[in-house]
Amino acid sequence: DVKVTQSSRYLVKRTGEKVFLECVQDMDHENMFWYRQDPGLGLRLIYFSYDVKMKEKGDIPEGYSVSREKKERFSLILESASTNQTSMYLCASSSVINSYEQYFGPGTRLTVT
Amino acid sequence: AQSVAQPEDQVNVAEGNPLTVKCTYSVSGNPYLFWYVQYPNRGLQFLLKYITGDNLVKGSYGFEAEFNKSQTSFHLKKPSALVSDSALYFCAVRFMRDDKIIFGKGTRLHILP
Repeated sequence: DVKVTQSSRYLVKRTGEKVFLECVQDMDHENMFWYRQDPGLGLRLIYFSYDVKMKEKGDIPEGYSVSREKKERFSLILESASTNQTSMYLCASSSVINSYEQYFGPGTRLTVT
Repeated sequence: AQSVAQPEDQVNVAEGNPLTVKCTYSVSGNPYLFWYVQYPNRGLQFLLKYITGDNLVKGSYGFEAEFNKSQTSFHLKKPSALVSDSALYFCAVRFMRDDKIIFGKGTRLHILP
């Protein structure tokens, strides 16, 4: 069964801390994505990657960076967390082989205090 | 600009009645179109997709969607709603120019017993 895992389900951090959210997929997918989900705003794309060491900005990249050193792992980094980054973060992966159907992880609910 | 719109924040349908959840998009060319569902406290799950071919596509749980190129719409439908269909539904579009996948804001579907 296909699987996307995220390092934490719940995370509480203080303002100014550096935060790492990790995502791992076991499907050998070339594409990986980070979204944030907020009530009334739906899913907004932060960054995506179509290959190892490649990254593309989504619609809301400010305040975030990403790293993809291995095909199966895509990390989202908040360099200096702020309260407006409190949100649910969703990771997804996809492949051209299955026509870009995305598989999602369970999400990480991040609270920045 | 590329965009996806779900014009209804919430849709209420009586159990047994047909349901429609609307989605429109703005793009040039031929996009890939998707519907996902999010049940309470669960991750997003793929429902169905349109890539090419027959405008009516069938997916999981008895759902189907109709692609209308002239109206740039991809409405989700089901002939007879179940209470268990109550969830948050997202329309998504992959634009051909890049691998970006954009989601609508979501529509909350309430099926009333």
